[in-house]
Amino acid sequence: AQKVTQAQTEISVVEKEDVTLDCVYETRDTTYYLFWYKQPPSGELVFLIRRNSFDEQNEISGRYSWNFQKSTSSFNFTITASQVVDSAVYFCALSEAWRDDKIIFGKGTRLHILP
Amino acid sequence: EADIYQTPRYLVIGTGKKITLECSQTMGHDKMYWYQQDPGMELHLIHYSYGVNSTEKGDLSSESTVSRIRTEHFPLTLESARPSHTSQYLCASRPTSGSFNGELFFGEGSRLTVL
Repeated sequence: AQKVTQAQTEISVVEKEDVTLDCVYETRDTTYYLFWYKQPPSGELVFLIRRNSFDEQNEISGRYSWNFQKSTSSFNFTITASQVVDSAVYFCALSEAWRDDKIIFGKGTRLHILP
Repeated sequence: EADIYQTPRYLVIGTGKKITLECSQTMGHDKMYWYQQDPGMELHLIHYSYGVNSTEKGDLSSESTVSRIRTEHFPLTLESARPSHTSQYLCASRPTSGSFNGELFFGEGSRLTVL
């Protein structure tokens, strides 16, 4: 069965600090896809990144970076020099290749960036 | 910016009323989804569709029903609303692109309150 665990329910950091959001997944499939989404207060989930299981390279996009490690089944997300606008709920998600009709989400981590 | 629209954004209604939440997308996506988001943030898949005339139930049992008569339209209906149906409902779509899983595009959500 597939499962996504985001152990951190809520995190608060002071602006300009770095913060890492943890994501651990379970899947029996060898081909799968991992995602991160951001949900700002407006409610709409915004896609941030997709990573397939064959690509373990870390990714950096501006202040955002992602660390994918198959050995520990983790796909962690780091925000460097956080800003108040980063305050949101962040979801990690998993989709198995043989069940590409579904994306399963973790429970989300609510991130507060304090000014 | 995603071209997927949900109406109404907010709805307050009395018990026993019939309601329909509308979802439309202009991206030509075959796959569409309804997620229910509880106050604790967790997203639960309640319905999905592979295309016209295709509807499937998701992981969370729901008393709602859906239809897919047109590619762009995926409405959700509750025949008799109850307070337990109070929640945020998020509609999403994704492209069908060979064997690769595309990301979900989300609408802004419909927040339903049943009194």
